[in-house]
Amino acid sequence: QSALTQPPSASGSPGQSVTISCTGTSRDVGGSDYVSWYQQHPGKAPKLMIYAVTERPSGVPDRFSASRSGNTASLTVSGLQAEDEAHYYCSSFAGSSNVLVFGTGTKVTVL
Amino acid sequence: EVLLVESGGVVVQSGGSLRLSCAASGFIFDDFAMHWVRQAPGKGLEWVSLISWDGGITHYADSVKGRFTISRDNSKSSLYVRMNSLRTDDTALYYCVKGHSGNYKSAFHVWGQGTMVTVSS
Repeated sequence: QSALTQPPSASGSPGQSVTISCTGTSRDVGGSDYVSWYQQHPGKAPKLMIYAVTERPSGVPDRFSASRSGNTASLTVSGLQAEDEAHYYCSSFAGSSNVLVFGTGTKVTVL
Repeated sequence: EVLLVESGGVVVQSGGSLRLSCAASGFIFDDFAMHWVRQAPGKGLEWVSLISWDGGITHYADSVKGRFTISRDNSKSSLYVRMNSLRTDDTALYYCVKGHSGNYKSAFHVWGQGTMVTVSS
């Protein structure tokens, strides 16, 4: 099972929006109800930001939203803030092989 | 407050064995699937293994299949992973992670701070 593909980096100015893609296959992202997104600041453990493709856990700001089209999932951060600068990872359950797979990770920089 | 505290990470020689432990508190442990996820220094996240709420279902990444064994003791609210035939590419920070629900396919909800395993050649 290969890692899901994410762009290495993305950036935006404070107040702007940035969208990160996560591309897999019909065996994972495109065919799974279990796509999630994580934020990781340097030296810290990851934090769940989105689960079940589009759902936001309590406590996560509504500036974070997600969607999916075909085999590509996307995370959008609106109204960028300095604290949003971090690495972001997607993940999906791959039912055909009963494994979970992460994306390659995207470094978001707030300019 | 949900708390996951990993232990057992050390420096071990290639070919050696190790058992990591994770002590859980702040939630009903046997209601949730649990996972081990690792992160090599400066690299991305890699899912390692999962175990269902009752221990009846386990799955492994291809990279550790046949070498690692995940287990849990619900009476002690503890998660374990036995790691055999360790290789230098197993060097990583190992996170204990609580599933988002009893469904083992669901998201990685709460993460511990990790325990570092270094495999030397």
